[in-house]
Amino acid sequence: EDKVVQSPLSLVVHEGDTVTLNCSYEVTNFRSLLWYKQEKKAPTFLFMLTSSGIEKKSGRLSSILDKKELFSILNITATQTGDSAVYLCGNYGGATNKLIFGTGTLLAVQP
Amino acid sequence: DSGVTQTPKHLITATGQRVTLRCSPRSGDLSVYWYQQSLDQGLQFLIQYYNGEERAKGNILERFSAQQFPDLHSELNLSSLELGDSALYFCASSLSDGGQPQHFGDGTRLSIL
Repeated sequence: EDKVVQSPLSLVVHEGDTVTLNCSYEVTNFRSLLWYKQEKKAPTFLFMLTSSGIEKKSGRLSSILDKKELFSILNITATQTGDSAVYLCGNYGGATNKLIFGTGTLLAVQP
Repeated sequence: DSGVTQTPKHLITATGQRVTLRCSPRSGDLSVYWYQQSLDQGLQFLIQYYNGEERAKGNILERFSAQQFPDLHSELNLSSLELGDSALYFCASSLSDGGQPQHFGDGTRLSIL
């Protein structure tokens, strides 16, 4: 069965810290891995990764995919209180081409 | 603003009732996806439509149905509602039907009393 597992479930850090969020997956017919940030409402798209070993970067956020070991990480450097959110990892593929999400990592950044 | 519009924002109804949730995709997007998010289940894929045709099905109950109309808006119909159906229902859209980033609406919060 296709599945996505995120860790940790939650973490609390102080402003300025660097965090690494993990996403491992088991999916047939892998097509892409996506990261989203969910604050109070809709998940907002961060990154889409399709190729192994190529880092995607946007400001203080970066992500990389390892297709051999079946995982991805999302790094946030110099965290700010505005980074507090649930970060969702989704894997697109499977037998019927659907996007399966992990349960998310709740990040709380304290001032 | 993702460009995906969902109505209503919040629905309160009783068990056994039927509701319709509506979604207008981003301009130009052909695919519409429906998700259910509850506290204990996380974000669960329900169903996808692409240009009016059902494309993929997830964990959608038989009491639920959806369709995508010629103008590409979509409706999710939930019937014989149970307390456990209380959740946030998201609609997302994408340009194509495979591997593209999906843009989410703000969701409809359904509360069953």
